[in-house]
Amino acid sequence: DTAVSQTPKYLVTQMGNDKSIKCEQNLGHDTMYWYKQDSKKFLKIMFSYNNKELIINETVPNRFSPKSPDKAHLNLHINSLELGDSAVYFCASSQVSSWTEAFFGQGTRLTVV
Amino acid sequence: AQSVTQLDSHVSVSEGTPVLLRCNYSSSYSPSLFWYVQHPNKGLQLLLKYTSAATLVKGINGFEAEFKKSETSFHLTKPSAHMSDAAEYFCVVIGSGNTPLVFGKGTRLSVIA
Repeated sequence: DTAVSQTPKYLVTQMGNDKSIKCEQNLGHDTMYWYKQDSKKFLKIMFSYNNKELIINETVPNRFSPKSPDKAHLNLHINSLELGDSAVYFCASSQVSSWTEAFFGQGTRLTVV
Repeated sequence: AQSVTQLDSHVSVSEGTPVLLRCNYSSSYSPSLFWYVQHPNKGLQLLLKYTSAATLVKGINGFEAEFKKSETSFHLTKPSAHMSDAAEYFCVVIGSGNTPLVFGKGTRLSVIA
């Protein structure tokens, strides 16, 4: 059983398109995140949801919109994709009440052409 | 604000020799620290964590790390490198406010046969 699963694993799309990445966790955690990993491997948080509510929204373009239908799911929708959006996007979850480690999905490699 | 600095962007060792990956932290309170590993084209896996219990922490795959408050360090070690250890390693601290996990820039470990 995969604890944090994201789909798709790879996504190649043209500039200007709209795409979504889905994430699900079966760990019963109350907090989920989206991180972006750039070409230099640097990981930066984008969003954090706690019990379906947005609690962190870092400085990302508003073309990126997270949606959490329930606390086990956190999807990322991206409008009007740009070349600079190419990166690996990681979903993660944790029990924020204890500020413990996060468990990560396998990542989605997004390539915008 | 909490932060970590990984002192080497790339470390290369021969198979069977010791591994040392260095990490210094900055924190205004007693930190929770982690090491994550990312194998090529894979997700992030937790190697070990320090949460103010024993200062010497043992992790998976023979890795361990020692928390040294006097040196503000949390270096990762392994007595004998294996080819399968080649990966990117991230030192991580739990942040505050809006940044639950703060990542270092990563250290790429190469293992030479």
